[in-house]
Amino acid sequence: GENVEQHPSTLSVQEGDSAVIKCTYSDSASNYFPWYKQELGKRPQLIIDIRSNVGEKKDQRIAVTLNKTAKHFSLHITETQPEDSAVYFCAASMGYSTLTFGKGTMLLVSP
Amino acid sequence: DVKVTQSSRYLVKRTGEKVFLECVQDMDHENMFWYRQDPGLGLRLIYFSYDVKMKEKGDIPEGYSVSREKKERFSLILESASTNQTSMYLCASSLFQKGYNEQFFGPGTRLTVL
Repeated sequence: GENVEQHPSTLSVQEGDSAVIKCTYSDSASNYFPWYKQELGKRPQLIIDIRSNVGEKKDQRIAVTLNKTAKHFSLHITETQPEDSAVYFCAASMGYSTLTFGKGTMLLVSP
Repeated sequence: DVKVTQSSRYLVKRTGEKVFLECVQDMDHENMFWYRQDPGLGLRLIYFSYDVKMKEKGDIPEGYSVSREKKERFSLILESASTNQTSMYLCASSLFQKGYNEQFFGPGTRLTVL
């Protein structure tokens, strides 16, 4: 089955810095790669996703890049703010089937 | 707005008890999922269902069973709770539509087995 590795497990940045979280996947058939954000005590929520026919996608301060050849994808957050502090999960899927999640990255943004 | 609700936010049970966790979604989603979330281990899939009365094992089904008698409701059952099943349990739902797979999560049930 699919295996998703996520790094780093924790990431501390100063407000205004950029943050990058990286994931690799094992199954070349995977074609959908979402990122979920889970604030403390709350449910995970989708923040951005990318499909295998696209190399990069942006939404304001967040962006995701995908390298199908290397089977890795990354989340980029620019101009970080304290409210970006959360656990971020990457995932991989073959479209309409289940998601395989990475183990998560705890991002701490210090004022 | 998609709404996924879970029957309890916190639950304390004793070893050997039968435990029912219930999840309800109101958006007519075909897919429903049960995950457990443990620190450092991420979200691990226990069971999922594509339709009423259908169920599929996920990555960690041992010690659990599920029931889906109605489209909007998906129950997770711990037949004989054990201390290693102390965890946060998250339910999710999604549309069964190729190429679109956003999952909507419930608030979670924190289960403690003593």
